Amino acid sequence: QVQLVQSGAEVKKPGASVKVSCKASGYTFTSYAINWVRQATGRGLEWMGWMNPNSGRTGCAQKFQGRVTMTRNTSISTAYMELSSLKSEDTAIYYCATPISASSDSMDVWGKGTTVTVSS
Amino acid sequence: SYELTQPPSVSVSPGQTASITCSGDKLGDKYACWYQQKPGQSPVLVIYQDGQRPSGIPERFSGSNSGNTATLTISGTQAVDEADYYCQAWDSNTGVFGGGTKLTVL
Repeated sequence: QVQLVQSGAEVKKPGASVKVSCKASGYTFTSYAINWVRQATGRGLEWMGWMNPNSGRTGCAQKFQGRVTMTRNTSISTAYMELSSLKSEDTAIYYCATPISASSDSMDVWGKGTTVTVSS
Repeated sequence: SYELTQPPSVSVSPGQTASITCSGDKLGDKYACWYQQKPGQSPVLVIYQDGQRPSGIPERFSGSNSGNTATLTISGTQAVDEADYYCQAWDSNTGVFGGGTKLTVL
């Protein structure tokens, strides 16, 4: 079945970087965009950026420009999101999501999330 | 930057109709979608392109979008519908989520 499997929880110190992976299965990885969304504890959803797995083209929210890098390895159907210069405010669950059955401007398949904790 | 505004909370009695609004400048000119999120779970898409239901989403979920407001309507609300709901749209190739609405079924 269609699924996105994300990497495990991470604990990082302020100023460090974290790289989260998202492995796709059950569909053609290069056919659908991958979005990255995060959620701090008790807070709402926050869209971070998207990537076209076919071309590698990316776009991100202005808030994350210069700090987020989205890449992919098409040979293993995996997308990556790297966030640098981590701050305590970056502590959150990070989700990858993609539109498979619905429209291309929505997200109908989500990973289970990767918890990133930033603490000294 | 573009903003979407939702009421923090909405309450509804079982069997009644719940309406959750999402406001944004000329939102009606964009497509809106809605996500349901229960505690400890990933979001689930319940409405896309204003009023389309993904496969597997009950018919009691419907949506509309006009002017500056998109609305998610849940008819015959059930206890299982108690969750947080988020609207989402795109502005200049940037995704935007509303702040979320906690739906309580009393």
